[in-house]
Amino acid sequence: SQTIHQWPATLVQPVGSPLSLECTVEGTSNPNLYWYRQAAGRGLQLLFYSVGIGQISSEVPQNLSASRPQDRQFILSSKKLLLSDSGFYLCAWSTGQGLTYEQYFGPGTRLTVT
Amino acid sequence: GQQLNQSPQSMFIQEGEDVSMNCTSSSIFNTWLWYKQEPGEGPVLLIALYKAGELTSNGRLTAQFGITRKDSFLNISASIPSDVGIYFCAADYNQGGKLIFGQGTELSVKP
Repeated sequence: SQTIHQWPATLVQPVGSPLSLECTVEGTSNPNLYWYRQAAGRGLQLLFYSVGIGQISSEVPQNLSASRPQDRQFILSSKKLLLSDSGFYLCAWSTGQGLTYEQYFGPGTRLTVT
Repeated sequence: GQQLNQSPQSMFIQEGEDVSMNCTSSSIFNTWLWYKQEPGEGPVLLIALYKAGELTSNGRLTAQFGITRKDSFLNISASIPSDVGIYFCAADYNQGGKLIFGQGTELSVKP
């Protein structure tokens, strides 16, 4: 069966510091991968998605970037955090074949920028 | 742009009651999904719908893909305390497996 991991679970970072959040998927090959941000427990906003290694599409211009160095690894980064980057960051995967609309989410990372 | 309007925003019900919530849009979609999110966790997929008019059940949950392809409905029968959470609708957005999400319906169940 497939599992998705995110770490860290929680993070408190000062403004201006760098960020690296990691997501890994097990039990599947060549998945589509997604990064979302959720503010105040509502409304998931798609930030990035990837259909393969090194292939990243950005949905919203922002202070963040994403990378996919391996098939089942997706990383969200920032060089300098802003207060507005606080939120709940969710990684999701879907199969790269057939019914790609069914997305499965990880447990999330709660980021607080102080 | 495309937007999903989910209602109600919140519901406070008594254990054992049935629940109905819906999601509407001015855009046509080919896929509707319903997720449940509990506090501090990621959303969990409940039901996926792929055909207009389709009615699908998952235990006490039943969801329908509206015949106009612009809406979807989720019903929960005989609610129990563990049904508490935020329920999100989602629909296919452009191409490439991307989803657009509603703002969620927060469900509270009083024992």
